[in-house]
Amino acid sequence: GAGVSQSPRYKVAKRGQDVALRCDPISGHVSLFWYQQALGQGPEFLTYFQNEAQLDKSGLPSDRFFAERPEGSVSTLKIQRTQQEDSAVYLCASSGTRAVSSPLHFGNGTRLTVT
Amino acid sequence: AQKITQTQPGMFVQEKEAVTLDCTYDTSDQSYGLFWYKQPSSGEMIFLIYQGSYDEQNATEGRYSLNFQKARKSANLVISASQLGDSAMYFCAMREGAGGTSYGKLTFGQGTILTVHP
Repeated sequence: GAGVSQSPRYKVAKRGQDVALRCDPISGHVSLFWYQQALGQGPEFLTYFQNEAQLDKSGLPSDRFFAERPEGSVSTLKIQRTQQEDSAVYLCASSGTRAVSSPLHFGNGTRLTVT
Repeated sequence: AQKITQTQPGMFVQEKEAVTLDCTYDTSDQSYGLFWYKQPSSGEMIFLIYQGSYDEQNATEGRYSLNFQKARKSANLVISASQLGDSAMYFCAMREGAGGTSYGKLTFGQGTILTVHP
């Protein structure tokens, strides 16, 4: 497909389990972003890659959160020892360039529920 | 740090009427981009319109226009001839330019829920 693809669409994890969320950006897009969105709220920035380089990880809420993009395309967001407060929709987005005029294109998100 | 403020948690409009969704922003950068996104109940985030900080004309895309007042740091979205399918959450967002410490980062406001009545 031509859009940003995220998997799984839904994930239920027991508290304490590790999870991995995958993002396949639009082909050729160099910038990749992860956001966390709580119900009824705006997306909150987590981290940002330019190709394989992680330029900003200031939004990661704790050291349990880790993101990688080893070959500059697919990215994985990993959450270790999940907690109930991690329950949210995790959105991935990509853009063609870093320029201010380049819009971000979003995937449909992964809804994580921690029980 | 960037900040986006949307002061209207919810707005109602009659079908075929126009509606304005407010957005103010705070930045010390000279170069930045302003975006509006629509998020229907299905959850996807849809890009609507873009305005650059150096653009002198207000952006328009079909029924969407952006009322950009740089001195007041506001970037309100105007939707003309509202349709039932416009009912959704709307987010204002700002992308930081090359002069900023977080070049390329997109920051969102809290959103406004728009309900279009028949």
